[in-house]
Amino acid sequence: TQLLEQSPQFLSIQEGENLTVYCNSSSVFSSLQWYRQEPGEGPVLLVTVVTGGEVKKLKRLTFQFGDARKDSSLHITAAQPGDTGLYLCAGDLSSNTGKLIFGQGTTLQVKP
Amino acid sequence: DAGITQSPRHKVTETGTPVTLRCHQTENHRYMYWYRQDPGHGLRLIHYSYGVKDTDKGEVSDGYSVSRSKTEDFLLTLESATSSQTSVYFCAISERGLGAFFGQGTRLTVV
Repeated sequence: TQLLEQSPQFLSIQEGENLTVYCNSSSVFSSLQWYRQEPGEGPVLLVTVVTGGEVKKLKRLTFQFGDARKDSSLHITAAQPGDTGLYLCAGDLSSNTGKLIFGQGTTLQVKP
Repeated sequence: DAGITQSPRHKVTETGTPVTLRCHQTENHRYMYWYRQDPGHGLRLIHYSYGVKDTDKGEVSDGYSVSRSKTEDFLLTLESATSSQTSVYFCAISERGLGAFFGQGTRLTVV
């Protein structure tokens, strides 16, 4: 059962464009995490959001946790080719035990 | 980078044989997890551990068992490998459950 819907699944854009990736669920999460994965490597944690309505920024990346803690978004400003990769959202349903439910991922390609 | 090592990195095995994958951490984190990653399914939790000898099932635990006899080691065993268990397996660790650190993965092919 897929509890976390991530969209879009694929995104191909030009350098300098902005983009937003969405992660939606009917479940309430104790935390929501975003990861980035390169081919042949494990996912790397970008951010964890815990509080409903929370916004975190990491350079050109902005992460938002929905007020009801059921959804999240990742916004990238002025994308660069180095942003190319697989972006994964993951929700923790179980009060910080770390058991994660992952979205299917968004494959981002940024063309020079 | 978190100190987490998976072995082997690649393995080809025959249907019906037992296979054990190893995860070793040097971070002394309490929680350890095994996930599998398949196209169209993302990452799915197989088993996890919340302490030495304390383990529990995840979403896709059938056909897998785990053991954790030391804080630093978490073993995943495929009791009798099947073709449906061909996948990339990731071990992860976390402390306080706020963000996981993943190993580099083991690519397992069952023929």
